Amino acid sequence: GAVVSQHPSRVICKSGTSVKIECRSLDFQATTMFWYRQFPKQSLMLMATSNEGSKATYEQGVEKDKFLINHASLTLSTLTVTSAHPEDSSFYICSARDSGPSFNRETQYFGPGTRLLVL
Amino acid sequence: RKEVEQDPGPFNVPEGATVAFNCTYSNSASQSFFWYRQDCRKEPKLLMSVYSSGNEDGRFTAQLNRASQYISLLIRDSKLSDSATYLCVVARNTGGFKTIFGAGTRLFVKA
Repeated sequence: GAVVSQHPSRVICKSGTSVKIECRSLDFQATTMFWYRQFPKQSLMLMATSNEGSKATYEQGVEKDKFLINHASLTLSTLTVTSAHPEDSSFYICSARDSGPSFNRETQYFGPGTRLLVL
Repeated sequence: RKEVEQDPGPFNVPEGATVAFNCTYSNSASQSFFWYRQDCRKEPKLLMSVYSSGNEDGRFTAQLNRASQYISLLIRDSKLSDSATYLCVVARNTGGFKTIFGAGTRLFVKA
């Protein structure tokens, strides 16, 4: 099946630093990738939709200057948490939709997630 | 009101039990429906898509009622390994593809 990877899987950083998370679709092309955040015992909350070659679409309440998204190729999207603070500590998960002529075009494939801890 | 609502749970059931999860969605423009499973500290994984005609995959049966905007998941003969959080997911493509997750229902299957 389709595979999405994320890197790093876990990161601990000091308050005020920036953290970049990569999301890659390994065996399919994805014009659209999604970034989610999940706090403990809560559901996934969509942060933004990443569109290859254009600006990301952010959900209401998500600061685009704080969460920078770049989708420079059909297989890679990055999320940079700028000037991270303890309240940004969370589980960040990306997902991708297969853009090819696939029966499962409406299925999202999720990366394994990145656990961010800001001290 | 949330766009996708699920049973709050948790459900605690013995092995071998049958358990049913319910989900309702409020946006009639919703087009695709899924059940995902999420294990603790892991990413969600697709369990099954849900179709109006109903579909079955082994011990799992999913139903969709578009008129009532209601989705269900039935698990028969529960196994210990079924313990997880089950997420009801609804997708639509109005002004861009969007997926909305329910808050999830936690299931504990006990020996």
